[in-house]
Amino acid sequence: DTEVTQTPKHLVMGMTNKKSLKCEQHMGHRAMYWYKQKAKKPPELMFVYSYEKLSINESVPSRFSPECPNSSLLNLHLHALQPEDSALYLCASSQEFTSILNEQFFGPGTRLTVL
Amino acid sequence: AQKITQTQPGMFVQEKEAVTLDCTYDTSDPSYGLFWYKQPSSGEMIFLIYQGSYDQQNATEGRYSLNFQKARKSANLVISASQLGDSAMYFCAMREGRPGNQFYFGTGTSLTVIP
Repeated sequence: DTEVTQTPKHLVMGMTNKKSLKCEQHMGHRAMYWYKQKAKKPPELMFVYSYEKLSINESVPSRFSPECPNSSLLNLHLHALQPEDSALYLCASSQEFTSILNEQFFGPGTRLTVL
Repeated sequence: AQKITQTQPGMFVQEKEAVTLDCTYDTSDPSYGLFWYKQPSSGEMIFLIYQGSYDQQNATEGRYSLNFQKARKSANLVISASQLGDSAMYFCAMREGRPGNQFYFGTGTSLTVIP
């Protein structure tokens, strides 16, 4: 199974809402990632979890709050977002964070619209 | 300086023809990995092919091959016998060998296969 799943596929939320994005993988990978991607741009790294610990936070605003409850799950909690946060949010996983050999497997993404 | 450069924002290719997508990279690390991803309009990033800096031979995966020229720091993707389903955005990415280093993505090339 080389699949990374993400829910929901689409999300529309107001600026005062609280919502969560979910990501799951069953490949035994120990590194998981959140990316933000604007249209026609490359993905931008937001967070990296390695062995369920936050390894990288790319200076992401606190209105985005990641959580890794276990090695298979990754959540992104959203609160008080801005319209400019509208984007495709991609989750990815790899066997290890520190190895250059490991490709990242991506999920299908959540298209987020903030009104 | 840009770590990954893709100079072709858009490319067109006739169905069944071969096409080369350019990628150059910048690193002083002797150990690194190069990756190509395909992103259809649906949004999912699909891993295509990997080349390690110490690999002696060019990587191949089915219709995809990577033309790795280390001295020129280029890692071009060659797609043979293009199919309509190859129409997508293609991203080149690099991971350096230093622990904790993230993926660097290029700006992408939009490929359109013409029937």
